[in-house]
Amino acid sequence: GAVVSQHPSRVICKSGTSVKIECRSLDFQATTMFWYRQFPKKSLMLMATSNEGSKATYEQGVEKDKFLINHASLTLSTLTVTSAHPEDSSFYICSPQKDSNEKLFFGSGTQLSVL
Amino acid sequence: AQSVTQLDSQVPVFEEAPVELRCNYSSSVSVYLFWYVQYPNQGLQLLLKYLSGSTLVKGINGFEAEFNKSQTSFHLRKPSVHISDTAEYFCAVRHYNQGGKLIFGQGTELSVKP
Repeated sequence: GAVVSQHPSRVICKSGTSVKIECRSLDFQATTMFWYRQFPKKSLMLMATSNEGSKATYEQGVEKDKFLINHASLTLSTLTVTSAHPEDSSFYICSPQKDSNEKLFFGSGTQLSVL
Repeated sequence: AQSVTQLDSQVPVFEEAPVELRCNYSSSVSVYLFWYVQYPNQGLQLLLKYLSGSTLVKGINGFEAEFNKSQTSFHLRKPSVHISDTAEYFCAVRHYNQGGKLIFGQGTELSVKP
């Protein structure tokens, strides 16, 4: 299967700092990237969808200025949590897709803990 | 809009026993259906999917699921579970015309005991 690299796998930061999470598709070109957030013992909630070279589309209730998504190339997308606060602590998972009806893949996730 | 309901948040079962994890969905349009497994602090792994055709779908690790359109269900089953099947399982739907956007159920924690 396709290889997706997401890192860091775990990050602890102080409140007010920004954290960048990277997601790379190593052996295919991802025209679309989905970013999900997962709270403990909860389901995955879609945060935003981005297409290479375009602005991301955010789901209702997700602050676009807090969760900055960059999809500058077909193999790399980043999610930056700006001015992180404890309530941003969560598990974040990326999901790159090659074409609109192609199989989805998932990164291994990033556990963010904001102190 | 689509929604997914997993009726059991936790399912404890003994090793080698059969198990069924329930999933119901609601949608006004045709959807594709998926089951994913998540091990602690890891991403998701696809177990199986229903796109069209035979309503009984076989996946990896001995799992299977049956699509029942009249009952809008897609329950996951395994005839004999192993300790290694202990994980969180998510049912998900995807609108046939909305690319890769997935709507997930709340998840079911399967705990297999010796």
